[in-house]
Amino acid sequence: AQTVTQSQPEMSVQEAETVTLSCTYDTSESDYYLFWYKQPPSRQMILVIRQEAYKQQNATENRFSVNFQKAAKSFSLKISDSQLGDAAMYFCAYRSRGAGANSKLTFGKGITLSVRP
Amino acid sequence: KAGVTQTPRYLIKTRGQQVTLSCSPISGHRSVSWYQQTPGQGLQFLFEYFSETQRNKGNFPGRFSGRQFSNSRSEMNVSTLELGDSALYLCASSLVSGASTDTQYFGPGTRLTVL
Repeated sequence: AQTVTQSQPEMSVQEAETVTLSCTYDTSESDYYLFWYKQPPSRQMILVIRQEAYKQQNATENRFSVNFQKAAKSFSLKISDSQLGDAAMYFCAYRSRGAGANSKLTFGKGITLSVRP
Repeated sequence: KAGVTQTPRYLIKTRGQQVTLSCSPISGHRSVSWYQQTPGQGLQFLFEYFSETQRNKGNFPGRFSGRQFSNSRSEMNVSTLELGDSALYLCASSLVSGASTDTQYFGPGTRLTVL
């Protein structure tokens, strides 16, 4: 079974600064997806970024980028130029990939990010 | 394009009752998954439906069940409610290509409180 670990329960960042959220995972599979989801106080789960394991290039989405280290099973999220609206809980998630793969998401416990004005 | 919708947004029930939650996926999405979110257990997968069939199931008791209709809308039912069923129930929909599902997009959730 796959597991996802987010060891930092809380982090804080100054507005306009950069912050990195850590995530490690464990799997015996070679083909999978990794995701970061954001859950603001409204509780709506919002997709931030997605990474396919077969791609060596790290995914980027505007101010959000990942550092994907497949051998180390590490998947960190970097938020640049932090904004007040980035304050939320962030979840790292794993999903198997490929035809017939179980599509369930396995989530980490999440990290609460606060942004100081 | 409208997002995933869930109804109702809030529910209060008492122990022993049953409850039905509804989820309408994004137009064109044929896979619907359900998750339970609690402070203690975090986010846990309940089940996934595709083409009116349950394709995957998480580790939950038989009191939790679901179904999917021909228009891809899905319902989940919890019978004989227990206090521990109090949670945020999230629905997610995704496109399906062949046998592979794409990224899951979530609805706003239904907050269930069991008294």
